Amino acid sequence: DAKTTQPPSMDCAEGRAANLPCNHSTISGNEYVYWYRQIHSQGPQYIIHGLKNNETNEMASLIITEDRKSSTLILPHATLRDTAVYYCIVRGLNYGQNFVFGPGTRLSVLP
Amino acid sequence: EPEVTQTPSHQVTQMGQEVILRCVPISNHLYFYWYRQILGQKVEFLVSFYNNEISEKSEIFDDQFSVERPDGSNFTLKIRSTKLEDSAMYFCASTSRAAGASGNTIYFGEGSWLTVV
Repeated sequence: DAKTTQPPSMDCAEGRAANLPCNHSTISGNEYVYWYRQIHSQGPQYIIHGLKNNETNEMASLIITEDRKSSTLILPHATLRDTAVYYCIVRGLNYGQNFVFGPGTRLSVLP
Repeated sequence: EPEVTQTPSHQVTQMGQEVILRCVPISNHLYFYWYRQILGQKVEFLVSFYNNEISEKSEIFDDQFSVERPDGSNFTLKIRSTKLEDSAMYFCASTSRAAGASGNTIYFGEGSWLTVV
């Protein structure tokens, strides 16, 4: 699976959009980009995934560059409860293989 | 919304004792996983399980660990003789294995915090 690079930490003002970047320059054509977050020590929570088109759901938007070498997770109106560690993971459709978690980005939403 | 449930939420055990952590995966899911997270560290993969056998395991998953699906709903992780360094949060997870990327999405439980003293 391709490796990812994320900034270790970011701050965002409450009510503003949080834009979390991820570099995955070695991604291959059949690999998807998944985003999870972990609030405090709770279990990782699935947010969104995508292949090459931009995706949006009730939690977030995922913007993937045309060359697929990077992506951005957007939380449109961050709240204090969005303070968490956000993980960008790239993997193919290999059922049973594990998701490899890096250190992620620690997002602090400030009042 | 269906979820993965884990018990106990917290267990304290003495070094050398056996521990069993229990999980009820989402009901139509077919792949099951255990991960762990030592305090302040990354989430680490332990093992994946499909069709009543281990699909993949990490170096962490040594002979002290075993997994079992004793009935149609539970999935357990056993640590035979606990060590101090086994103190961690243990997460169970599952996927549906349905076609496409959605079927590949792993859903995690809230974790079982194991403290070995």
